[in-house]
Amino acid sequence: GAGVSQSPSNKVTEKGKDVELRCDPISGHTALYWYRQSLGQGLEFLIYFQGNSAPDKSGLPSDRFSAERTGGSVSTLTIQRTQQEDSAVYLCASSSGLTQETQYFGPGTRLLVL
Amino acid sequence: AQSVSQHNHHVILSEAASLELGCNYSYGGTVNLFWYVQYPGQHLQLLLKYFSGDPLVKGIKGFEAEFIKSKFSFNLRKPSVQWSDTAEYFCAVNAPTSGTYKYIFGTGTRLKVLA
Repeated sequence: GAGVSQSPSNKVTEKGKDVELRCDPISGHTALYWYRQSLGQGLEFLIYFQGNSAPDKSGLPSDRFSAERTGGSVSTLTIQRTQQEDSAVYLCASSSGLTQETQYFGPGTRLLVL
Repeated sequence: AQSVSQHNHHVILSEAASLELGCNYSYGGTVNLFWYVQYPGQHLQLLLKYFSGDPLVKGIKGFEAEFIKSKFSFNLRKPSVQWSDTAEYFCAVNAPTSGTYKYIFGTGTRLKVLA
């Protein structure tokens, strides 16, 4: 009965390095979402998955950001050549469907780019 | 493009005061509407949601929200707040008829309830 888990919980990296953020959704949830939460900016949609497919990648800020999901379960968000403006909390959520179902959020990964 | 506006960024109330947090969205088609809450140190969690039927929906902890289609609004209310309601509240919209299933969140309202 575990909830959504994310790792690492905190990540400090140097500008220009690549980082990988991981999300483990609730077992059986087919939909998975990534958001970015910056101070005073609310939750910014990045990408969602239905199964392993990502029908809408419009929220990814630049081509340095990519995400994948394998086996309909674990998802990885990769940020290449990190910039200081990438510093934020990255949240993952999963749900049993795409529209009316409740999203269950993980604790987030706090990323700091120096 | 869809958007969600939460006009109150910070609200401070005394216990037992009434609460109303504004939420307006911009999309003319069918929408699903949500309020999520983030208590200090906790994950975001669902407070309530609306997708059809009675426009007045009731959620957990005595919260309710009213969908007014003509005003594109989904305001959150609670008749009498408690200190434990101190949290950040987010309104969100999902519009499947727009061709995408993404959720758009507002910028959030930080509520502080004074004991």
